[in-house]
Amino acid sequence: AQSVAQPEDQVNVAEGNPLTVKCTYSVSGNPYLFWYVQYPNRGLQFLLKYITGDNLVKGSYGFEAEFNKSQTSFHLKKPSALVSDSALYFCAVRVGQAGTALIFGKGTTLSVSS
Amino acid sequence: EAGVAQSPRYKIIEKRQSVAFWCNPISGHATLYWYQQILGQGPKLLIQFQNNGVVDDSQLPKDRFSAERLKGVDSTLKIQPAKLEDSAVYLCASTPAGRWGNTEAFFGQGTRLTVV
Repeated sequence: AQSVAQPEDQVNVAEGNPLTVKCTYSVSGNPYLFWYVQYPNRGLQFLLKYITGDNLVKGSYGFEAEFNKSQTSFHLKKPSALVSDSALYFCAVRVGQAGTALIFGKGTTLSVSS
Repeated sequence: EAGVAQSPRYKIIEKRQSVAFWCNPISGHATLYWYQQILGQGPKLLIQFQNNGVVDDSQLPKDRFSAERLKGVDSTLKIQPAKLEDSAVYLCASTPAGRWGNTEAFFGQGTRLTVV
């Protein structure tokens, strides 16, 4: 079965410091990987995706993610965190093109302090 | 372009009552999903439509949940009767046809259901 793990419930960083939100996946086949962000009382907003090619993917708001096939990971990173980055982050995976839906991790709360 | 529209935003009902949620996907998007997001968990797929046909409803509790997408555009999700454990945010999402693998899903703001 396909699955996504986000091992940290919460990540705390100081503003200006780099941040990493971890994600690992378990799939059979080649994965398509996604990161979404959710602000309070809002839907999920797409940040970035890995399809193929360059393992370092750049997305919205200065976020980037690194795909590592050997470690089956897709960690979200940002060189310098902002207080406004504080939100709930979800990693998701899709395998195949037969109309399969995204499978989400449980989410990681990012808290950036000033 | 307009995003995925959902209504209502909030709903409070008593257990054993019925409730319905509405979703209008992005224009031209053939695939529509309903997800359930329980507090502290990631979204879980309930049902997926391709145009007006069901692609996957394996995780839909069919004894109480039903969904339809007449005419292949907007969709309604119904719960009857509701249980306390149905308290969650119900998210609707859509994607264009033909690029299911590498295309991100676009989400609505969700409907927060509280069952008391």
